[in-house]
Amino acid sequence: EAGVVQSPRYKIIEKKQPVAFWCNPISGHNTLYWYRQNLGQGPELLIRYENEEAVDDSQLPKDRFSAERLKGVDSTLKIQPAELGDSAVYLCASSTGTSGSEEQYFGPGTRLTVT
Amino acid sequence: QKEVEQNSGPLSVPEGAIASLNCTYSDRVSQSFFWYRQYSGKSPELIMSIYSNGDKEDGRFTAQLNKASQYVSLLIRDSQPSDSATYLCAVNRDDKIIFGKGTRLHILP
Repeated sequence: EAGVVQSPRYKIIEKKQPVAFWCNPISGHNTLYWYRQNLGQGPELLIRYENEEAVDDSQLPKDRFSAERLKGVDSTLKIQPAELGDSAVYLCASSTGTSGSEEQYFGPGTRLTVT
Repeated sequence: QKEVEQNSGPLSVPEGAIASLNCTYSDRVSQSFFWYRQYSGKSPELIMSIYSNGDKEDGRFTAQLNKASQYVSLLIRDSQPSDSATYLCAVNRDDKIIFGKGTRLHILP
């Protein structure tokens, strides 16, 4: 069974530029998560989707971050404009349940560096 | 009090010994508990989940949960150098999972 796929794996941009990350979850997993992980910290939830619906985006900085999950499968996370503090690893995860509290499986992540 | 607390380490354990990783959490109504392993530069990998008080064993790994003390632990028996990684404790709060900062484990050959 293929795991969660993310691209790109690495991205270096200058501040104020836009950037987008893509995620394809495990087949059959209806719930998709975007996390941000800073160095030395645990992952922090940005947004959770159940199928096409964003059911928890309370931690998403909506002034510059946006996300979508068209057709309830692939998802993209966008930052515009990027700031130096956005440098982090952006992780996508998926799960079969809908509570947000079940086992989650992570993709390889995208390491973003903003200069 | 932080929601999920772990000692950041590093915890150094000789090869072949038992590594004991501990985690405390603040929300008494939490029902789901997870341990993830994260190698340097890699993403978290689920090791175990536990939902009931007591022990749950899977190979060399044993998760222990004590809801009364709000404490969850992970024991790794016969530690191997390949077990050297950061171990993240995760606990549910409402409809999300909260991660601790992780404990760095170093297995000494």
